[in-house]
Amino acid sequence: ELKVEQNPLFLSMQEGKNYTIYCNYSTTSDRLYWYRQDPGKSLESLFVLLSNGAVKQEGRLMASLDTKARLSTLHITAAVHDLSATYFCAVVLYTGNQFYFGTGTSLTVIP
Amino acid sequence: DTEVTQTPKHLVMGMTNKKSLKCEQHMGHRAMYWYKQKAKKPPELMFVYSYEKLSINESVPSRFSPECPNSSLLNLHLHALQPEDSALYLCASSQDRVLAGGPPDTQYFGPGTRLTVL
Repeated sequence: ELKVEQNPLFLSMQEGKNYTIYCNYSTTSDRLYWYRQDPGKSLESLFVLLSNGAVKQEGRLMASLDTKARLSTLHITAAVHDLSATYFCAVVLYTGNQFYFGTGTSLTVIP
Repeated sequence: DTEVTQTPKHLVMGMTNKKSLKCEQHMGHRAMYWYKQKAKKPPELMFVYSYEKLSINESVPSRFSPECPNSSLLNLHLHALQPEDSALYLCASSQDRVLAGGPPDTQYFGPGTRLTVL
């Protein structure tokens, strides 16, 4: 079974600071997804990383993928309060439609 | 249109009731999913439909019964639930990875149904 682990599980950071969330997975996968979930809400797609070395950026968030290390990172630059949410990574095996979600990282940005 | 809709938004039911959750998408996606999510946990996959056929069933108790009447609709029929089944139930859709000839770009999630079983 594919395992997807994120760290940290909880992250409290001050506005203006930078930080990185890590996503490790246990089996070869050729794509990696990042989602955001606000409290009591559904999941919103942030990034899809399609190949080794892929990097995508949207505002203060930048995601990267290293398929050889089975590692994706979500880097937060100059955090603002609006980024407070839970972030999930997910991977999908080439052969099917089953998405495996990471444990989630609960981010709180403190003014 | 990248919207997945779910009804109802909230549902309270007793352990002897029968109810149904509904999900609809008009993006032409041929893979549709039901997830269960408990507070502060990742979504747990329950069922996957591919081209209206059940392709993944994650050993979910029979008190949950999925149905895919057509390519746009997905239902989850509930019967004799337990209080521990209280959770947020999420529907999602994506391109079908197996038959589409290419991988899905992502899953699109509906707003969810907050279910409380008394």
